[in-house]
Amino acid sequence: AQTVTQSQPEMSVQEAETVTLSCTYDTSESNYYLFWYKQPPSRQMILVIRQEAYKQQNATENRFSVNFQKAAKSFSLKISDSQLGDTAMYFCAFMKPPIFYSGGGADGLTFGKGTHLIIQP
Amino acid sequence: GAGVSQSPSNKVTEKGKDVELRCDPISGHTALYWYRQRLGQGLEFLIYFQGNSAPDKSGLPSDRFSAERTGESVSTLTIQRTQQEDSAVYLCASSVGGALFFGSGTQLSVL
Repeated sequence: AQTVTQSQPEMSVQEAETVTLSCTYDTSESNYYLFWYKQPPSRQMILVIRQEAYKQQNATENRFSVNFQKAAKSFSLKISDSQLGDTAMYFCAFMKPPIFYSGGGADGLTFGKGTHLIIQP
Repeated sequence: GAGVSQSPSNKVTEKGKDVELRCDPISGHTALYWYRQRLGQGLEFLIYFQGNSAPDKSGLPSDRFSAERTGESVSTLTIQRTQQEDSAVYLCASSVGGALFFGSGTQLSVL
């Protein structure tokens, strides 16, 4: 079974600073997907960024980028020029490779416990 | 619709009543997940559907919980004889390939 660990329950930074959220995982798979989701108080789970394990290049979406270290099984999220609207819970997730478009059930999709990020004005 | 739709958005019920929560996945998404999220907590897996295969029910906390899905369409999560500890947000997500999308959840409050 896969495990996903987010070791920072809460982080707080000043607006405009850069912040990095850590995520490590454990798997025996060689190909898989990794995600970062943002959950603001509205409770909507919003996809921030997605990484395919077979791609060595780190994914980037505007102010959000990841540092994907496959050998170390590490998938950290960097938020540059942080904004008040970035305040939210952030969840790291691991998905097994789709088999006939399957996510794999309980064992195929695993979430970390989340990091509560607070951006201070 | 363009996204995963869940209804109702909020549900308040009395202890002992049955409730039914609905999830409309994105068209064409073969996989569907239900999660429970208690206040301030992470996501707790409940059940997984994949096409016409038998669902993975390994996360259902008790026999009061059940879910159905016909083919690749709507899913309903039913909680019978609700208890106060069932109070939580119930999230649905649908997936195809390596893409995963969530609905906005149903906030269930059991009084």
